[in-house]
Amino acid sequence: KNEVEQSPQNLTAQEGEFITINCSYSVGISALHWLQQHPGGGIVSLFMLSSGKKKHGRLIATINIQEKHSSLHITASHPRDSAVYICAVRQNTNAGKSTFGDGTTLTVKP
Amino acid sequence: KAGVTQTPRYLIKTRGQQVTLSCSPISGHRSVSWYQQTPGQGLQFLFEYFSETQRNKGNFPGRFSGRQFSNSRSEMNVSTLELGDSALYLCASSLSQGEGYGYTFGSGTRLTVV
Repeated sequence: KNEVEQSPQNLTAQEGEFITINCSYSVGISALHWLQQHPGGGIVSLFMLSSGKKKHGRLIATINIQEKHSSLHITASHPRDSAVYICAVRQNTNAGKSTFGDGTTLTVKP
Repeated sequence: KAGVTQTPRYLIKTRGQQVTLSCSPISGHRSVSWYQQTPGQGLQFLFEYFSETQRNKGNFPGRFSGRQFSNSRSEMNVSTLELGDSALYLCASSLSQGEGYGYTFGSGTRLTVV
């Protein structure tokens, strides 16, 4: 079992829909990152969380440390949101090793 | 402000050769980390450098090595290349080490081993 599990693996939505991507982890962490990767490889760091909730534009990220779970929400989704979303955790043991989920491929149709 | 610069963008090497990839962090960033991305394994952490010292290392064989210079630029080296080393190699820089600092990724070097 992977230390970081994301769901769903693939997600197709209509423009305007509210989207949720989930990340569960089994290790102790010091921080969790949500990353966005568009076709062509470029990766953008969307959020870094160690507790609570962060919001940036239409994106909201939450984390529940006790439940070892984080969610990324996209409100009023748009075709330009189509990308792979990756959850990454920085462990608080194992010398701070970073571990990644397999990613969620989001396609937003107009 | 210039982003994280990785060179070269694309590289084709032959099995058994070695390769050196370069990463120039954002000015003022002192932490550089390296990642390998393949379709089968996804993103995997290689190593992290801070102030010229390797601080963390992922589960990769000793053929993968790196270093960081006094100007924070970093290189990673892969010796005795194998077909399975074909991947997108990404580096990311951060102002400092630790969970309080977000990081910025470069565009990556796509290595193909034939």
